[in-house]
Amino acid sequence: DAEITQSPRHKITETGRQVTLACHQTWNHNNMFWYRQDLGHGLRLIHYSYGVQDTNKGEVSDGYSVSRSNTEDLPLTLESAASSQTSVYFCASRQNTGELFFGEGSRLTVL
Amino acid sequence: KQEVTQIPAALSVPEGENLVLNCSFTDSAIYNLQWFRQDPGKGLTSLLLIQSSQREQTSGRLNASLDKSSGRSTLYIAASQPGDSATYLCAVRPGSRDDKIIFGKGTRLHILP
Repeated sequence: DAEITQSPRHKITETGRQVTLACHQTWNHNNMFWYRQDLGHGLRLIHYSYGVQDTNKGEVSDGYSVSRSNTEDLPLTLESAASSQTSVYFCASRQNTGELFFGEGSRLTVL
Repeated sequence: KQEVTQIPAALSVPEGENLVLNCSFTDSAIYNLQWFRQDPGKGLTSLLLIQSSQREQTSGRLNASLDKSSGRSTLYIAASQPGDSATYLCAVRPGSRDDKIIFGKGTRLHILP
């Protein structure tokens, strides 16, 4: 079955370190998204991409970057991790009907 | 600015009952609305997607309705089961060219055995 996978599922890092969260989907969807989910804030959009070499900023993009070198992958990079970036991160992709599908999430703790 | 509200934040009902979850939005000009469930520590699972031109969608025991004019969507769950216990979120996409999808905070549903 086609799916969307995230890795690592859990990560602990230190302030100032660079962290990359991987997202891989096998549906061949053009549209991919990164969200963070925090208590009290719900889901917030970080970055999104409509296809290879296309990236766009969401509402909370500061401190994050993404790259899209192929259709299947949209890695999220935290250039210099901060404690405020402790969160659960979700990757999603969207099929042509508009339906959004999510990965299982990556829980990141920044100490 | 579009806002999505889900009330109540938490709900407990006995097994076997039919129930309705509510989602309201402030701007009726939406492209689509999607319902998800989220189990603790898991990702969001898509339940139903309603396009702006549709009034309802059904999948098994679930039925979602959309009334754009009143800014409301409901998710009807028939014959509830303990396995239905989860948080249910609705999400509104404002336009076909707008990917700032707005999520509600969710309703945490507990089905009592």
